[in-house]
Amino acid sequence: GESVGLHLPTLSVQEGDNSIINCAYSNSASDYFIWYKQESGKGPQFIIDIRSNMDKRQGQRVTVLLNKTVKHLSLQIAATQPGDSAVYFCAETLFSGSARQLTFGSGTQLTVLP
Amino acid sequence: EPEVTQTPSHQVTQMGQEVILRCVPISNHLYFYWYRQILGQKVEFLVSFYNNEISEKSEIFDDQFSVERPDGSNFTLKIRSTKLEDSAMYFCASIPDRGRSSPLHFGNGTRLTVT
Repeated sequence: GESVGLHLPTLSVQEGDNSIINCAYSNSASDYFIWYKQESGKGPQFIIDIRSNMDKRQGQRVTVLLNKTVKHLSLQIAATQPGDSAVYFCAETLFSGSARQLTFGSGTQLTVLP
Repeated sequence: EPEVTQTPSHQVTQMGQEVILRCVPISNHLYFYWYRQILGQKVEFLVSFYNNEISEKSEIFDDQFSVERPDGSNFTLKIRSTKLEDSAMYFCASIPDRGRSSPLHFGNGTRLTVT
């Protein structure tokens, strides 16, 4: 079946640097994408989302970029902080789907170095 | 900020036993979900629930699984006869509606350990 996948399982960055986490999705019909952060022992926490009619969306210190041509999604975190250390998942779905079920990627472990 | 709450945080059970995982979705939300995450793996969709019935379910959600909204606040996942491979984190999630961009709000999960 189709799936969402991540390019790198781990990413280490220095505190204060910018982080970029990538995601490839394979279902060209997906039109709603979400980034989640998961800290140890907790559930996925919403970070930012984007609909397919946009190619960029900014939040507080985070930016999501969507390239539908190559089916690629990225999460940029500005001025990475120790509290950003977590596993980051991208997820895809059909916005108009009856259930809005999410297909998750396999996750990237972000480690922020002091 | 309202949260999805799940109990218990950790459940240990013997193979073949029944377990019920409990969730209290955010109060004005209408769509409810169960997902699971086997240790070190992806979060996987199990089932969605709306208007007191299942909307969609995955292949994982076989006859051993059932969901129920017994009252106006609780949403439960029952596994009738647990297997070793049911050991995982189980996450409940909810959204208010599908008419706008509304990402799933997840609880902190129940860790199920089947021995």
